Amino acid sequence: EAGVAQSPRYKIIEKRQSVAFWCNPISGHATLYWYQQILGQGPKLLIQFQNNGVVDDSQLPKDRFSAERLKGVDSTLKIQPAKLEDSAVYLCASSFTSGPTGTQYFGPGTRLLVL
Amino acid sequence: AQKITQTQPGMFVQEKEAVTLDCTYDTSDQSYGLFWYKQPSSGEMIFLIYQGSYDEQNATEGRYSLNFQKARKSANLVISASQLGDSAMYFCAMREGGGTGFQKLVFGTGTRLLVSP
Repeated sequence: EAGVAQSPRYKIIEKRQSVAFWCNPISGHATLYWYQQILGQGPKLLIQFQNNGVVDDSQLPKDRFSAERLKGVDSTLKIQPAKLEDSAVYLCASSFTSGPTGTQYFGPGTRLLVL
Repeated sequence: AQKITQTQPGMFVQEKEAVTLDCTYDTSDQSYGLFWYKQPSSGEMIFLIYQGSYDEQNATEGRYSLNFQKARKSANLVISASQLGDSAMYFCAMREGGGTGFQKLVFGTGTRLLVSP
Protein backbone atom coordinates (compact mmCIF):
# COMPACT_ATOMS: atom_id res chain seq x y z
CA GLU A 1 0.00 0.00 0.00
CA ALA A 2 1.38 3.39 -0.99
CA GLY A 3 1.92 5.88 1.81
CA VAL A 4 1.14 9.57 1.99
CA ALA A 5 2.91 11.46 -0.79
CA GLN A 6 4.06 15.06 -0.54
CA SER A 7 5.85 17.44 -2.86
CA PRO A 8 8.09 19.25 -3.07
CA ARG A 9 10.42 17.85 -0.40
CA TYR A 10 12.35 21.10 -0.05
CA LYS A 11 11.58 24.70 -0.89
CA ILE A 12 13.53 27.91 -0.40
CA ILE A 13 11.78 31.24 -1.01
CA GLU A 14 12.20 34.85 -0.05
CA LYS A 15 9.83 36.56 2.33
CA ARG A 16 6.68 37.96 0.78
CA GLN A 17 6.77 35.31 -1.97
CA SER A 18 4.09 32.66 -2.25
CA VAL A 19 4.50 28.90 -2.06
CA ALA A 20 2.27 25.85 -2.43
CA PHE A 21 2.57 22.31 -1.12
CA TRP A 22 0.81 19.23 -2.43
CA CYS A 23 -0.36 16.11 -0.61
CA ASN A 24 -1.85 12.84 -1.81
CA PRO A 25 -3.23 10.75 1.07
CA ILE A 26 -3.38 6.99 1.43
CA SER A 27 -6.08 5.58 -0.83
CA GLY A 28 -9.41 5.34 0.94
CA HIS A 29 -8.49 7.70 3.78
CA ALA A 30 -11.27 10.23 4.20
CA THR A 31 -9.53 12.49 6.70
CA LEU A 32 -6.54 14.62 5.77
CA TYR A 33 -4.45 16.84 8.03
CA TRP A 34 -1.83 19.53 7.55
CA TYR A 35 0.67 20.12 10.36
CA GLN A 36 3.39 22.70 10.84
CA GLN A 37 6.50 21.57 12.69
CA ILE A 38 8.90 24.33 13.72
CA LEU A 39 12.45 23.24 14.54
CA GLY A 40 12.67 21.78 18.04
CA GLN A 41 8.90 21.45 18.47
CA GLY A 42 6.24 18.84 17.93
CA PRO A 43 3.86 19.14 14.98
CA LYS A 44 0.97 21.58 15.33
CA LEU A 45 -2.29 20.99 13.48
CA LEU A 46 -3.10 23.69 10.93
CA ILE A 47 -6.18 22.26 9.24
CA GLN A 48 -8.19 19.06 9.08
CA PHE A 49 -10.42 17.90 6.24
CA GLN A 50 -13.11 15.24 6.26
CA ASN A 51 -13.54 14.33 2.59
CA ASN A 52 -13.53 17.80 0.99
CA GLY A 53 -14.99 19.67 3.95
CA VAL A 54 -13.02 21.54 6.62
CA VAL A 55 -13.44 20.08 10.12
CA ASP A 56 -10.96 22.24 12.04
CA ASP A 57 -8.95 25.24 10.87
CA SER A 58 -8.79 27.06 14.19
CA GLN A 59 -4.97 27.28 14.13
CA LEU A 60 -4.59 28.23 10.49
CA PRO A 61 -3.34 31.83 10.01
CA LYS A 62 -6.05 32.64 7.53
CA ASP A 63 -4.62 36.01 6.54
CA ARG A 64 -1.79 34.23 4.72
CA PHE A 65 -2.49 30.48 4.72
CA SER A 66 -5.12 28.70 2.66
CA ALA A 67 -5.83 25.06 1.93
CA GLU A 68 -8.20 23.11 -0.22
CA ARG A 69 -9.05 19.52 -0.88
CA LEU A 70 -10.90 19.28 -4.14
CA LYS A 71 -12.78 16.04 -4.85
CA GLY A 72 -11.90 14.76 -1.39
CA VAL A 73 -8.51 13.31 -2.37
CA ASP A 74 -5.46 15.50 -3.03
CA SER A 75 -4.88 18.65 -1.06
CA THR A 76 -2.83 21.81 -1.46
CA LEU A 77 -1.61 24.18 1.24
CA LYS A 78 -0.63 27.70 0.18
CA ILE A 79 1.20 30.49 1.93
CA GLN A 80 0.91 34.01 0.52
CA PRO A 81 2.83 36.10 1.42
CA ALA A 82 5.41 34.09 3.34
CA LYS A 83 7.09 35.40 6.49
CA LEU A 84 10.40 34.40 8.04
CA GLU A 85 8.57 32.61 10.88
CA ASP A 86 6.90 30.28 8.36
CA SER A 87 10.20 28.40 8.02
CA ALA A 88 9.24 24.90 9.16
CA VAL A 89 8.46 21.40 8.01
CA TYR A 90 4.92 21.01 6.69
CA LEU A 91 3.59 17.54 7.28
CA CYS A 92 0.54 15.99 5.68
CA ALA A 93 -1.21 13.05 7.32
CA SER A 94 -4.28 10.96 6.61
CA SER A 95 -6.45 8.56 8.54
CA PHE A 96 -9.17 6.03 7.81
CA THR A 97 -11.77 7.47 10.13
CA SER A 98 -13.80 4.37 10.69
CA GLY A 99 -10.78 2.43 11.91
CA PRO A 100 -10.57 1.39 15.58
CA THR A 101 -7.80 3.81 16.44
CA GLY A 102 -8.05 6.51 13.80
CA THR A 103 -4.28 6.33 13.48
CA GLN A 104 -2.78 9.13 11.43
CA TYR A 105 -0.14 8.19 8.88
CA PHE A 106 2.28 10.90 7.84
CA GLY A 107 4.05 11.80 4.65
CA PRO A 108 7.74 12.72 4.40
CA GLY A 109 7.05 16.43 4.81
CA THR A 110 8.11 19.57 2.95
CA ARG A 111 10.96 21.56 4.46
CA LEU A 112 10.37 25.27 3.84
CA LEU A 113 13.03 27.90 4.36
CA VAL A 114 11.98 31.54 4.08
CA LEU A 115 14.88 33.99 3.63
CA ALA B 1 -1.67 24.49 29.59
CA GLN B 2 0.68 21.87 28.24
CA LYS B 3 -1.34 18.79 27.42
CA ILE B 4 1.57 16.48 26.62
CA THR B 5 4.82 16.72 28.54
CA GLN B 6 8.02 14.99 27.57
CA THR B 7 10.63 15.95 30.14
CA GLN B 8 13.63 14.24 28.56
CA PRO B 9 15.12 16.34 25.75
CA GLY B 10 17.70 13.63 25.06
CA MET B 11 18.40 10.05 26.05
CA PHE B 12 21.39 7.80 25.47
CA VAL B 13 21.31 4.02 25.44
CA GLN B 14 23.70 1.30 24.42
CA GLU B 15 22.78 -1.13 21.71
CA LYS B 16 20.79 -4.17 22.95
CA GLU B 17 19.73 -2.40 26.15
CA ALA B 18 16.19 -1.30 27.01
CA VAL B 19 15.20 2.36 27.32
CA THR B 20 12.12 4.15 28.66
CA LEU B 21 10.93 7.46 27.20
CA ASP B 22 8.64 9.41 29.50
CA CYS B 23 5.32 11.02 28.63
CA THR B 24 2.71 12.56 30.88
CA TYR B 25 -0.58 14.00 29.70
CA ASP B 26 -3.37 16.19 30.91
CA THR B 27 -7.00 15.77 29.93
CA SER B 28 -10.45 15.88 31.50
CA ASP B 29 -11.91 13.58 28.84
CA GLN B 30 -12.77 10.01 29.82
CA SER B 31 -12.18 8.76 26.30
CA TYR B 32 -8.85 9.55 24.70
CA GLY B 33 -6.00 7.87 22.88
CA LEU B 34 -2.25 8.02 23.26
CA PHE B 35 0.21 7.56 20.42
CA TRP B 36 3.94 7.35 19.99
CA TYR B 37 5.64 8.35 16.76
CA LYS B 38 9.26 8.08 15.66
CA GLN B 39 10.81 10.80 13.51
CA PRO B 40 14.18 9.93 11.96
CA SER B 41 16.36 12.60 10.41
CA SER B 42 14.54 12.12 7.11
CA GLY B 43 11.57 13.88 8.69
CA GLU B 44 8.75 11.39 8.27
CA MET B 45 6.63 10.64 11.34
CA ILE B 46 6.38 6.88 11.78
CA PHE B 47 3.53 5.46 13.88
CA LEU B 48 4.79 3.09 16.57
CA ILE B 49 2.09 2.25 19.07
CA TYR B 50 -1.37 3.21 20.34
CA GLN B 51 -3.11 2.97 23.72
CA GLY B 52 -6.78 3.72 24.23
CA SER B 53 -7.92 5.10 27.56
CA TYR B 54 -10.26 2.16 28.11
CA ASP B 55 -7.69 -0.49 27.18
CA GLU B 56 -6.92 -2.57 30.25
CA GLN B 57 -3.80 -4.17 28.85
CA ASN B 58 -0.66 -2.23 28.03
CA ALA B 59 -0.13 -2.02 24.28
CA THR B 60 2.76 -3.90 22.69
CA GLU B 61 4.11 -3.86 19.15
CA GLY B 62 7.21 -5.94 18.65
CA ARG B 63 10.05 -4.30 20.60
CA TYR B 64 7.81 -1.40 21.62
CA SER B 65 5.55 -1.43 24.64
CA LEU B 66 3.58 1.32 26.29
CA ASN B 67 3.59 1.51 30.08
CA PHE B 68 0.16 3.04 30.66
CA GLN B 69 -0.55 4.31 34.18
CA LYS B 70 -3.92 5.99 34.00
CA ALA B 71 -4.04 7.29 37.56
CA ARG B 72 -0.67 8.97 37.09
CA LYS B 73 -1.59 10.13 33.58
CA SER B 74 1.57 8.68 32.14
CA ALA B 75 2.17 6.74 28.95
CA ASN B 76 5.83 5.86 28.79
CA LEU B 77 7.34 4.13 25.76
CA VAL B 78 9.64 1.20 26.42
CA ILE B 79 11.97 0.07 23.67
CA SER B 80 13.56 -3.29 24.35
CA ALA B 81 16.82 -4.48 22.80
CA SER B 82 17.72 -1.10 21.27
CA GLN B 83 19.16 -1.03 17.77
CA LEU B 84 21.27 1.60 16.05
CA GLY B 85 18.32 2.33 13.77
CA ASP B 86 16.28 3.41 16.78
CA SER B 87 18.25 6.67 16.94
CA ALA B 88 15.62 9.34 16.19
CA MET B 89 13.21 11.83 17.75
CA TYR B 90 10.28 10.27 19.56
CA PHE B 91 6.99 12.11 20.02
CA CYS B 92 4.15 11.32 22.36
CA ALA B 93 0.73 12.51 21.21
CA MET B 94 -2.80 12.50 22.58
CA ARG B 95 -6.07 12.33 20.71
CA GLU B 96 -9.04 13.94 22.37
CA GLY B 97 -12.63 13.90 21.30
CA GLY B 98 -13.73 10.37 22.05
CA GLY B 99 -14.17 7.77 19.36
CA THR B 100 -15.26 10.11 16.62
CA GLY B 101 -13.62 10.30 13.26
CA PHE B 102 -12.17 13.70 14.04
CA GLN B 103 -8.79 12.72 15.34
CA LYS B 104 -7.10 15.89 16.53
CA LEU B 105 -3.66 15.04 17.84
CA VAL B 106 -1.69 17.17 20.28
CA PHE B 107 2.03 16.44 20.34
CA GLY B 108 4.73 16.81 22.98
CA THR B 109 8.08 18.43 22.30
CA GLY B 110 9.84 15.14 21.71
CA THR B 111 12.81 13.19 23.08
CA ARG B 112 15.92 12.60 21.00
CA LEU B 113 17.21 9.06 21.46
CA LEU B 114 20.77 8.16 20.57
CA VAL B 115 21.75 4.51 20.47
CA SER B 116 25.47 3.84 20.70
CA PRO B 117 27.31 0.66 19.60
